[in-house]
Amino acid sequence: SQQGEEDPQALSIQEGENATMNCSYKTSINNLQWYRQNSGRGLVHLILIRSNEREKHSGRLRVTLDTSKKSSSLLITASRAADTASYFCATAPIQGAQKLVFGQGTRLTINP
Amino acid sequence: EAGVAQSPRYKIIEKRQSVAFWCNPISGHATLYWYQQILGQGPKLLIQFQNNGVVDDSQLPKDRFSAERLKGVDSTLKIQPAKLEDSAVYLCASSPLVGPYNEQFFGPGTRLTVL
Repeated sequence: SQQGEEDPQALSIQEGENATMNCSYKTSINNLQWYRQNSGRGLVHLILIRSNEREKHSGRLRVTLDTSKKSSSLLITASRAADTASYFCATAPIQGAQKLVFGQGTRLTINP
Repeated sequence: EAGVAQSPRYKIIEKRQSVAFWCNPISGHATLYWYQQILGQGPKLLIQFQNNGVVDDSQLPKDRFSAERLKGVDSTLKIQPAKLEDSAVYLCASSPLVGPYNEQFFGPGTRLTVL
């Protein structure tokens, strides 16, 4: 079963704008990760946030985690055409934390 | 560092036929995963190996799917016989860590079409 649910399912913005994607999950987690998948390719790890962290940055990416609401958000600032991809959140449960449960993904399109 | 290798990249078969996928993880990675990704959905874990032992195969349809990881390196995933609903991308991933924080490295996937 898939624990994470991303919102929105699809997002289309202009190049240079910021993109925000949300993820909600159901059970307690050890950590939450975001992955990107370009069309027809495998997934690439973007960022990992631990359950005791609230915010993390990596380049143009900013991830927040609210364990009380069981939700996370991924912000991509100053978007570029190359950011066009599907973005997935994946949760690692407290028990068996090496296992990841992926959400359905958000399809992001950056328009030039 | 070479990434996770998978072959073939594409496979088309008819229902009730058999098919096998191969994965070579990143050198030294102890943990190997096989995922099934149906179009429009996120990856679903089929089986997880640590070295050559199975850690989790709770979502593997064992009546038709099998997987092995001999010598704790390469792995093969087999479907016999295939059904229409097996059409999906099969992703292999590996992870170096034996601990709570695992980043997984994915291969390009094998796109299976069952006719």
